[in-house]
Amino acid sequence: SYELTQPPSVSVFPGQTASVTCSGDKLGNKYACWYQQKPGQSPLLVIFQDSKRPSGIPERFSGSNSGNTATLAINETQAMDEADYYCQSWDSNTGVFGGGTKLTVL
Amino acid sequence: EVQLVESGGGLVQPGGSLRLSCAASGFTFSNYWMSWVRQAPGKGLGWVANIKQDGSQKYYVDSVRGRFTISRDNVENSLYLQMNSLTVEDTAVYYCARDIGLGGGFDFWGRGTLVTVSS
Repeated sequence: SYELTQPPSVSVFPGQTASVTCSGDKLGNKYACWYQQKPGQSPLLVIFQDSKRPSGIPERFSGSNSGNTATLAINETQAMDEADYYCQSWDSNTGVFGGGTKLTVL
Repeated sequence: EVQLVESGGGLVQPGGSLRLSCAASGFTFSNYWMSWVRQAPGKGLGWVANIKQDGSQKYYVDSVRGRFTISRDNVENSLYLQMNSLTVEDTAVYYCARDIGLGGGFDFWGRGTLVTVSS
């Protein structure tokens, strides 16, 4: 079955750029999306179709997807961005999530 | 306002059954693929199943295929998940999610309902 791999944790200083990666075989040939989940809350879609932002998501959030890796970038990271981030894609009509990355704002 | 409200979770013994429901409102339910996604306590997200707008296509993660059945009622604007032969590994919060389509992901989620499988 298809797998997506994320680093368990990423740390960033406030105001710096955070990058979270998601790796999968030929992931660049599929669409990737990203979710933010804070403790006790449901996931929130922050990037879809590789690089599009849903309404209401700050421009600080951006995405890219090429080769075997999709990347979520958060510019000018704020304390409120501290959360778990999950990538997600589709393989043969079935959904696949990455294991999640805990973003810590130092 | 889009709303998805799950119900039907609870405590069930291994081997038992449970039926989850998701009541949708604030959008044209029959226009969207819908999915169930689960999250075991302290763990990551796991996609469970999805269903096409008219119910003609359904897909499942390997671990639930043959035990779980997804269905929908476009008149009642409801999504369902019938879960049979439950195991402790099925313990999780189950979310109902609306699918953007075209590989776009899930743009609206419910708050989830907790299923606990334990003797």
